[in-house]
Amino acid sequence: KAGVTQTPRYLIKTRGQQVTLSCSPISGHRSVSWYQQTPGQGLQFLFEYFSETQRNKGNFPGRFSGRQFSNSRSEMNVSTLELGDSALYLCASSLVGQRNTEAFFGQGTRLTVV
Amino acid sequence: KQEVTQIPAALSVPEGENLVLNCSFTDSAIYNLQWFRQDPGKGLTSLLLIQSSQREQTSGRLNASLDKSSGRSTLYIAASQPGDSATYLCAVRHGSGNTGKLIFGQGTTLQVKP
Repeated sequence: KAGVTQTPRYLIKTRGQQVTLSCSPISGHRSVSWYQQTPGQGLQFLFEYFSETQRNKGNFPGRFSGRQFSNSRSEMNVSTLELGDSALYLCASSLVGQRNTEAFFGQGTRLTVV
Repeated sequence: KQEVTQIPAALSVPEGENLVLNCSFTDSAIYNLQWFRQDPGKGLTSLLLIQSSQREQTSGRLNASLDKSSGRSTLYIAASQPGDSATYLCAVRHGSGNTGKLIFGQGTTLQVKP
């Protein structure tokens, strides 16, 4: 079956701009979580969406937001980009509530803010 | 607050050696623990998932153990190969499991020399 798909793979944006990243989960998975990975901070949880509702949120400013559609696809948006937002953004999909709740990750979107 | 620590941060071994990667967590109330592999600039590949009620899981040359009471997990790699060179991450899923949120360690970067 198809894995988790993230688009685009690479992005270069200018400070102050906004960006939208997309994640299509594995078919049947209703939970999508987003993570930011940087060399200094490692993998940090951004937020989780389940059945179109944000269920958990990490410690990030309000510039980071997301949404989930009825087909479970998710988008995350970062407004007023800062240099420090340069990172690899990863999404994961899971069958939460099931016994073997395994997370599967996409290849990530590499965002560079200049 | 759950914290996950991985030791060592980096490891270099000759090909053929058996090795152990360590992961510790501060709160034993976990639902499961997952080991991942990450190649440079890529997403995460799931290696092994251990439920909180299990002691170990095996896949090929990989064996992961879990001691929930002491807050420790190990990933054993037998007969290491240059292709095993990557960063290995452990992550815990908390509580009831009804969440997609994972808390990650900082990873161990493994280099296997031919």
